[in-house]
Amino acid sequence: ETGVTQTPRHLVMGMTNKKSLKCEQHLGHNAMYWYKQSAKKPLELMFVYNFKEQTENNSVPSRFSPECPNSSHLFLHLHTLQPEDSALYLCASSRWTSGSSYEQYFGPGTRLTVT
Amino acid sequence: AQTVTQSQPEMSVQEAETVTLSCTYDTSESDYYLFWYKQPPSRQMILVIRQEAYKQQNATENRFSVNFQKAAKSFSLKISDSQLGDAAMYFCAYRGRGETSGSRLTFGEGTQLTVNP
Repeated sequence: ETGVTQTPRHLVMGMTNKKSLKCEQHLGHNAMYWYKQSAKKPLELMFVYNFKEQTENNSVPSRFSPECPNSSHLFLHLHTLQPEDSALYLCASSRWTSGSSYEQYFGPGTRLTVT
Repeated sequence: AQTVTQSQPEMSVQEAETVTLSCTYDTSESDYYLFWYKQPPSRQMILVIRQEAYKQQNATENRFSVNFQKAAKSFSLKISDSQLGDAAMYFCAYRGRGETSGSRLTFGEGTQLTVNP
């Protein structure tokens, strides 16, 4: 248990559905991250939020829409996804002070299948 | 851009023996961090060990140690007295210290470690 929780753990959705992934951290961190882990590929950073402000968008398609209402919660809203978006989506959090971030702690992930 | 390469997709080790996982990286930065993460079948990514580039001493964490060769841009992980619970996918990761690179973790492709009883 790393102090980062994700729900749901598994999600199956059709290409026309709208769903959301939720991440919550109980570590007092101020930075949160979304990663995508596909089979046979390295983890890909999708979004970074620092003090609720998005500081990085790694050229992610607009069908993925992140939301960070506060430093403890992070959402990933999904709509009109494609089958190739099926993957494990990992959330992480860390401390972040001016000019420096610290170790990232990961949640257990949401296994997403798009049919 | 930084890249991280793990050239061993799979490794196996006998229980109680020692295994070394390889990692090389490429960067133009002089100060950075390197990490090994472990991802067991539960998919929970767990930090195993970290190394700060400005420290010459190799990091050690119980049965886990690293061999950090800055000039060669090499960062290998040694697991001593391997246990069944060490079986997992191991990822090497890089993080810069700069304002723009300090948030980004760049991962290698991973090495699947099997521990044989």
